[in-house]
Amino acid sequence: EAGVAQSPRYKIIEKRQSVAFWCNPISGHATLYWYQQILGQGPKLLIQFQNNGVVDDSQLPKDRFSAERLKGVDSTLKIQPAKLEDSAVYLCASSLSHEWGFGSGTRLTVV
Amino acid sequence: DQQVKQNSPSLSVQEGRISILNCDYTNSMFDYFLWYKKYPAEGPTFLISISSIKDKNEDGRFTVFLNKSAKHLSLHIVPSQPGDSAVYFCAASWGYNNDMRFGAGTRLTVKP
Repeated sequence: EAGVAQSPRYKIIEKRQSVAFWCNPISGHATLYWYQQILGQGPKLLIQFQNNGVVDDSQLPKDRFSAERLKGVDSTLKIQPAKLEDSAVYLCASSLSHEWGFGSGTRLTVV
Repeated sequence: DQQVKQNSPSLSVQEGRISILNCDYTNSMFDYFLWYKKYPAEGPTFLISISSIKDKNEDGRFTVFLNKSAKHLSLHIVPSQPGDSAVYFCAASWGYNNDMRFGAGTRLTVKP
């Protein structure tokens, strides 16, 4: 069974530029999550989708972050414009009941 | 929003000994708890889980204990091996939507 796919693995951008991350969840997993993991901290939930609907985006900085999951499968997370403090690993995860899978993450460096 | 806490950022043990990683939570709605292991440059991988209706779950060298009254769980690794060296995250979830929260992680180092 294929796991959660994420791309790119690494991205370096200058502040005020925009960036987008892509995630393909495990087949059949209705719930998709985007987490932000800053160095030395645990993953923090940014947004959670159930199929193509948003369940929780309370911790998403909506002035600069956006995410969509139009067909209830793949998802993209966008940051525009990026700030230095956005440097982190962005993890995508998916779940069905108590079965979970995580992608390898995208390491974003904002300079 | 620190609903799940891992108060020890690091732990070092000798090969063959027991490793005990601790986790505390504040949200009494959590009904499912998981431990993940993470190597550098990789995403977290599932290790072991426990439902709130149980107080112990064992899988080979790994055992998770849940103390609901104390809102505390622990992961025991016996015997510890150098390959167990990684960052271990405690996570808790609840509800139909599987709302999951993570602790900050504990870096385990197992010395040969």
